[in-house]
Formats: sequence, structure tokens, C-alpha cells
Amino acid sequence: DVQMTQSPSNLAASPGESVSINCKASKSISKYLAWYQQKPGKANKLLIYSGSTLQSGTPSRFSGSGSGTDFTLTIRNLEPEDFGLYYCQQHNEYPPTFGAGTKLELK
Amino acid sequence: QIQLVQSGPELKKPGESVKISCKASGYTFTDYAMHWVKQAPGKGLKWMGWINTYTGKPTYADDFKGRFVFSLEASASTANLQISNLKNEDTATYFCARRGVYNNYVFDYWGQGVMVTVSS
Repeated sequence: DVQMTQSPSNLAASPGESVSINCKASKSISKYLAWYQQKPGKANKLLIYSGSTLQSGTPSRFSGSGSGTDFTLTIRNLEPEDFGLYYCQQHNEYPPTFGAGTKLELK
Repeated sequence: QIQLVQSGPELKKPGESVKISCKASGYTFTDYAMHWVKQAPGKGLKWMGWINTYTGKPTYADDFKGRFVFSLEASASTANLQISNLKNEDTATYFCARRGVYNNYVFDYWGQGVMVTVSS
């Protein structure tokens, strides 16, 4: 199985700032990486797939980049609703696998 | 709008069984596969497998073969997950998630999750 390693595990920022979350695959997954947001009491939300394609409804302050083994989720001009957990997931090969998550907290 | 609404929390004893449901609305149920994902307390997400909602054929990830069964009530637009012979390590939140339009392994809509607690 492809192992996904996210960093950092925790991240503190203030509204208006920009942050980046990294995800590294144990082997090349081409461009096939998705990012999800998880918040208590809400359904998980697909933000980005295929590395950089925004899911319908995802605000443009979110962007994804990378290919091969190294990927980044960038959130510009943080809004209060952006704080929560973020997971990467490879969708290049079976079985799909997730990173351990990054907790984005309010500074 | 598209929604996946899951059944309520469950408290079970080791050795018992549990069946949780995921009712879909807002789209044609049989057009999109349904996946199941486990999240143990304080842990990340683990993909369990999926069920073809048109044919009913399930596919299980290696760690979820044997005690886990995916099923459908297609007439009710509902997917079910049954876990038998529950163990303490089955304590987790279980999510259903719809396959994305683009790819079977991208999950575009999720249920709210069902917390299953296994304790004697």
C-alpha cells in the first residue's frame, strides 16, 4: 500500500494568514491526490482532487500543487471557518490511503 | 441537495453484532458506488472498501475481510455496514462516502459518521 505522510501534524495560524500543509507519498502517485477537511459535527468535505482541481464549491483561497511524491495544500487569507483537520488521500492506486491528518488551529 | 444521513450511535458488547445504515438522497443512488471509511478515536481515516450500488457487489480492503459486510436496500437508497463478533478495536466512527464523479476513489459526499463503541 502507498504510505502517505503529512506534515506538520499541528499548525497554528491567525485569520488572514496563509498556511501550507505537506503530503508525501511513499512512491509516485502521479498527480492523483485529494484533500479533505474534517470539522466536528459536519460531514467531511472534499476540497481538491487530482492534485490541483478544486471541487465544486471549494473557495479559491484553497489551492493544491505537486506531483510524483510531494504535494502541498495552501490556504491563503485564512477565514475562521478554515480551522479544523485536513487529510490527504492518494487516489492513484488501490487501495486508497490517507495521511494521518494535520490539525489547523487558531493562534 | 445531495445528502448521506447515517444512523445513530451504537453501544455494543464484545462478540455482538451491529448494523449501521447510510441513506442517500438528492441523486440516483445506483449511479454512484458507496464507500466505507473507519476512524478510530483520535486517529486518521482508513478505507474499508466499497459496494457497487448497481450490482450489489462488495469489495473489502484486506483488513476488513471476514467480519464486515456491506449491503444495500436499493429501493430505499440505503447502504448498510454490518460488523459481527465485535472487538474492542472496532470502537470507531464509521463513515459512508459517495464515490466522486471523476474517480471511484475520490469521495465527494460523506455521511456524518456513526460512533460505534464496543465495551464490556
